[in-house]
Amino acid sequence: GNSVTQMEGPVTLSEEAFLTINCTYTATGYPSLFWYVQYPGEGLQLLLKATKADDKGSNKGFEATYRKETTSFHLEKGSVQVSDSAVYFCALSDRRNRGSTLGRLYFGRGTQLTVWP
Amino acid sequence: KAGVTQTPRYLIKTRGQQVTLSCSPISGHRSVSWYQQTPGQGLQFLFEYFSETQRNKGNFPGRFSGRQFSNSRSEMNVSTLELGDSALYLCASSSTSGISYEQYFGPGTRLTVT
Repeated sequence: GNSVTQMEGPVTLSEEAFLTINCTYTATGYPSLFWYVQYPGEGLQLLLKATKADDKGSNKGFEATYRKETTSFHLEKGSVQVSDSAVYFCALSDRRNRGSTLGRLYFGRGTQLTVWP
Repeated sequence: KAGVTQTPRYLIKTRGQQVTLSCSPISGHRSVSWYQQTPGQGLQFLFEYFSETQRNKGNFPGRFSGRQFSNSRSEMNVSTLELGDSALYLCASSSTSGISYEQYFGPGTRLTVT
């Protein structure tokens, strides 16, 4: 089956520290991988994505590389800011057939990040 | 382009009542999915609609139902509400072109059952 495992939080960092949030997955098909971010009182925002092995997704200083050999998609940022404080979710979409409308996302449990000034 | 909109944003209902939540997808998106978010269970998939047809369903009881209209707008209904139905209900829309199938989420409807 499909599943996502991400490191439990909370993660607390000082401003300008390096961030890593680990994410590993299990999938039966050819998954696309995503990181979403949720700020308090809001829905999920797509942060970055990768659609095939060795792809690197990046956005707003965050990066993640699709590693098929280790089934991982770890989120990294070189220098976090207070405004990065939020909950981060790793997710996969398993579209077994090109053109399929299977639209289920499988999510990890989320990692709470708090950045102090 | 306007994002995904959900109404209402907040709702308080009594156990045993029923509730209907509404979602308008991004213009041009024809797929709409619904998720339930709770502190205990995290994000759980409810169902997906495309072209007014339910294409995929999560593991929820029959009290949870949905539908999609010809303009791609979607509603979900929960009947005979239970305390455990208190949650943030998130709607997401997606374009069916491309291979990555990213979903764009609305702000959610916060349902409280008392």
